[in-house]
Amino acid sequence: GAGVSQSPSNKVTEKGKDVELRCDPISGHTALYWYRQSLGQGLEFLIYFQGNSAPDKSGLPSDRFSAERTGGSVSTLTIQRTQQEDSAVYLCASSFSRDRGRYGYTFGSGTRLTVV
Amino acid sequence: QQQVKQSPQSLIVQKGGIPIINCAYENTAFDYFPWYQQFPGKGPALLIAIRPDVSEKKEGRFTISFNKSAKQFSLHIMDSQPGDSATYFCAASHNFGNEKLTFGTGTRLTIIP
Repeated sequence: GAGVSQSPSNKVTEKGKDVELRCDPISGHTALYWYRQSLGQGLEFLIYFQGNSAPDKSGLPSDRFSAERTGGSVSTLTIQRTQQEDSAVYLCASSFSRDRGRYGYTFGSGTRLTVV
Repeated sequence: QQQVKQSPQSLIVQKGGIPIINCAYENTAFDYFPWYQQFPGKGPALLIAIRPDVSEKKEGRFTISFNKSAKQFSLHIMDSQPGDSATYFCAASHNFGNEKLTFGTGTRLTIIP
């Protein structure tokens, strides 16, 4: 497709369960980002992948969060032993590796995670 | 540490008015300042961006004003329309946008007819 695709669009899970969120970036975009959007908190950076470089994991809030990107394309964000405070919209974005200032990020529509 | 502070949290303006959203940043190494627009159920989309070598940039009805000495920038929407009702995020980055973006907390804008 032409845009960034995220699945599932909605996920309800029980506290303590693990969840996996998927992101399909735009073909040709080598940079991929995960952000978390909570009410009143704006967009919180989680992790950034750029080509074959080591990912920038500086935004991951705890060791329960991890992400991988396979083959430089699809990415999966995994949250282990989910907690209620993990409830948020998880947004994935991708961009060209160069001149990002001109084109910006293209965001997906997000995965709304609810931990009950 | 919140590196980009945004205000107001919400704003209601009558059609045709000029809403103004303000942001302030702390990190003087930031050199790229975009604004993103988000409609309900959608991801944010790039609206307009500015670099610190200019004090103002206009694209259609949207204008960014930038004050480097005060470390502040703002978004103005001219002749606002109900279709402009959305959440607006300011952001900042290093390396002219080629590093990760740090976002403000967002402003929910409502334009009433």
